[in-house]
Amino acid sequence: DQQVKQNSPSLSVQEGRISILNCDYTNSMFDYFLWYKKYPAEGPTFLISISSIKDKNEDGRFTVFLNKSAKHLSLHIVPSQPGDSAVYFCAASGLGDTDKLIFGTGTRLQVFP
Amino acid sequence: DAGITQSPRHKVTETGTPVTLRCHQTENHRYMYWYRQDPGHGLRLIHYSYGVKDTDKGEVSDGYSVSRSKTEDFLLTLESATSSQTSVYFCAIGKGGARTGELFFGEGSRLTVL
Repeated sequence: DQQVKQNSPSLSVQEGRISILNCDYTNSMFDYFLWYKKYPAEGPTFLISISSIKDKNEDGRFTVFLNKSAKHLSLHIVPSQPGDSAVYFCAASGLGDTDKLIFGTGTRLQVFP
Repeated sequence: DAGITQSPRHKVTETGTPVTLRCHQTENHRYMYWYRQDPGHGLRLIHYSYGVKDTDKGEVSDGYSVSRSKTEDFLLTLESATSSQTSVYFCAIGKGGARTGELFFGEGSRLTVL
């Protein structure tokens, strides 16, 4: 049973526009969330994180929003660049099981000129 | 780049044979993880370790075992490989576990079980 879900397997966005990647979770014990980016033939790399005590965290072009009541988080990339084309995974960890990081299914983002 | 290497990077084996994947780190991080990546499933946690000889199961641990006899090495063993274990396997390391920040991933080991 997938505890972290990314319902859009792919997303295509024009360069310069906003990319919005979504993630839903089912485990109410999750309270720390991260986004990772993965290029082909490489391991995932950390992008940005957010604790449940916040509803927004920003780092340059990347902003993560957390809606705890809806068990939903999103990653906004503004402006999108061709180099952002990759697979994006959201991940979560929770109280009482803090060592584990559970990943979603991933969304493939393509940014075209 | 985090000092993490996986070996072998590619392996083809036959059903029923044992397979061991090795993850080696030079960062002296306490936490080490094994994930597998499959289409439609994303990254799924197999096993992880929070110290030498301290390991625990993840989401998809059946058919896999792990060992950590030294801080720097975390071994993943498939006792009798099956075709469903064909996947890309990623090792990750973390200084303080999932909640203290990011994990650093290796480049992956592609395993094909015929």
